[in-house]
Amino acid sequence: AQKITQTQPGMFVQEKEAVTLDCTYDTSDPSYGLFWYKQPSSGEMIFLIYQGSYDQQNATEGRYSLNFQKARKSANLVISASQLGDSAMYFCAMREGGSSNTGKLIFGQGTTLQVKP
Amino acid sequence: DVKVTQSSRYLVKRTGEKVFLECVQDMDHENMFWYRQDPGLGLRLIYFSYDVKMKEKGDIPEGYSVSREKKERFSLILESASTNQTSMYLCASSFREGNQPQHFGDGTRLSIL
Repeated sequence: AQKITQTQPGMFVQEKEAVTLDCTYDTSDPSYGLFWYKQPSSGEMIFLIYQGSYDQQNATEGRYSLNFQKARKSANLVISASQLGDSAMYFCAMREGGSSNTGKLIFGQGTTLQVKP
Repeated sequence: DVKVTQSSRYLVKRTGEKVFLECVQDMDHENMFWYRQDPGLGLRLIYFSYDVKMKEKGDIPEGYSVSREKKERFSLILESASTNQTSMYLCASSFREGNQPQHFGDGTRLSIL
């Protein structure tokens, strides 16, 4: 069965430093996609970055990058130069693959990040 | 920009009531989803729809039903609300292709008293 695990319930980082949020996944499907979302205290879910299982390079979007290690089944989110506005809950999610390909996502439990001034 | 609009940010209802949560998207997305979010459990899929009048159960469909009469609108129905359905409800939509992200509404905090 597909599964997403985020082992860090909470993280602290000093402003302007980089931080890595961990995500491991489990799937037997060779085709899958990995997503990261940010959820501020206001509640909305904001899409940050996507990595496909066949992508050769790690995905990057501005200050966000994804450290994709396929053999280890990990897809860690790296936030560089943290800002106070980065304080939020972060979710890792995996797209269900295979012939169904419905676009359904499986979410991890989330990691709460607090950026200290 | 993609806009997913949920009808209410906060809602208070009583046990036994029939509750309707509405979601509208403006990007012509084929897929629409309803999730509930509880502390420590992440997001859990209740129902999803990949086309008008089509629906499939997610992981926790018990006590819920859905309706999709038009492509842009996906409604979640609590047939007889119970206190254990107090939660944050999130609607999302996406294109059918699997590498497309889901776009979320702002969420509805539902309290059942």
